[in-house]
Amino acid sequence: DAGITQSPRHKVTETGTPVTLRCHQTENHRYMYWYRQDPGHGLRLIHYSYGVKDTDKGEVSDGYSVSRSKTEDFLLTLESATSSQTSVYFCAISVGDRDTQYFGPGTRLTVL
Amino acid sequence: GENVEQHPSTLSVQEGDSAVIKCTYSDSASNYFPWYKQELGKRPQLIIDIRSNVGEKKDQRIAVTLNKTAKHFSLHITETQPEDSAVYFCAATERGYSSASKIIFGSGTRLSIRP
Repeated sequence: DAGITQSPRHKVTETGTPVTLRCHQTENHRYMYWYRQDPGHGLRLIHYSYGVKDTDKGEVSDGYSVSRSKTEDFLLTLESATSSQTSVYFCAISVGDRDTQYFGPGTRLTVL
Repeated sequence: GENVEQHPSTLSVQEGDSAVIKCTYSDSASNYFPWYKQELGKRPQLIIDIRSNVGEKKDQRIAVTLNKTAKHFSLHITETQPEDSAVYFCAATERGYSSASKIIFGSGTRLSIRP
């Protein structure tokens, strides 16, 4: 599982509240990614990081921010959650030649 | 940017028969094409990948073919078994300026194996 954990694994929250999801890795990988998975859309990249304090946007970044203050942790924040952000969120890391990606166990987020 | 289309969205085959899933991509600069399998409630797991400098790769009952000219690639599963039932995703990699690899996924194929 490439030493990736995500927390929490499940969360139910209300519209308008802030939410932070955490991805933690133990193997000092440089590249980390956040995806969301929705039926009919596969997995879509939200944000990614190529080092401490180095992040960039993916294809569906609106409404999300990220931070990476140390190598092992990549945080995804929903500043004001909306029902459209109900989804399963996966963190991933890339290894070796930077192409092969491995996924964490996922976080199921429900925004009521 | 890259766009990946995947067909079919659902596929049902008899146990022991072969299954084929096809994908097309739009960006000729993409050079890495992984396939992921996702069982219900689990994370996507890499099952096979191919780079643009080869045309075919096999791993036991699974094979992937790539046609760079036509910009399409396919997953072939032979002698299907019940444990092959899952959702399969193809993907193409877009290498960004930061050297991070941004994977663009297809929308998935739900494969069901009939006993």
